[in-house]
Amino acid sequence: EAGVTQFPSHSVIEKGQTVTLRCDPISGHDNLYWYRRVMGKEIKFLLHFVKESKQDESGMPNNRFLAERTGGTYSTLKVQPAELEDSGVYFCASSQAGLAGNEQFFGPGTRLTVL
Amino acid sequence: QKEVEQDPGPLSVPEGAIVSLNCTYSNSAFQYFMWYRQYSRKGPELLMYTYSSGNKEDGRFTAQVDKSSKYISLFIRDSQPSDSATYLCAIGGHNTGNQFYFGTGTSLTVIP
Repeated sequence: EAGVTQFPSHSVIEKGQTVTLRCDPISGHDNLYWYRRVMGKEIKFLLHFVKESKQDESGMPNNRFLAERTGGTYSTLKVQPAELEDSGVYFCASSQAGLAGNEQFFGPGTRLTVL
Repeated sequence: QKEVEQDPGPLSVPEGAIVSLNCTYSNSAFQYFMWYRQYSRKGPELLMYTYSSGNKEDGRFTAQVDKSSKYISLFIRDSQPSDSATYLCAIGGHNTGNQFYFGTGTSLTVIP
């Protein structure tokens, strides 16, 4: 069974540009999560989808970040315009059930560098 | 105050040693306690998942939760060089908005 996949693995962009990250969850997992790890800090929650609906987006830093999950399958996270402080590793995770604490399976992450 | 505190290490032990990794947390409403292992340039991989208090054992790994002290531990017995990784605790609960709060991770090196 394929795990959570993320694309690209690494992205380098200039301040002010737009970047779109993609996550493909494990097939059949209705719950999809985005996390971010800024260098030297802990992994922080960004948002949670249940199918195509945003269940919790309280962790999104500001309105420059837009997450979508059309059709309840893969998800994209767009940063527009990117700022220097957006640099970090963006992880996607998916889980089968909707309860907190259910096993979340993580993707390898997208390393975003904003110059 | 951070939701979860974890000693970043680094921790270096000889092969075969028993390793103890720990996290403390602040919110007594947390119910779900997880340990993840992360190799360099990879995503976190779930090792252990515990609901509420108590111990859970899986092979060489034992997870302990002490809710009265708000303290969780991961023990690794007979540590192997392949255990060298960063270990992250993650904690959450229904009353905390279904979010997981992660520790910063402890870097472990097992020396052959």
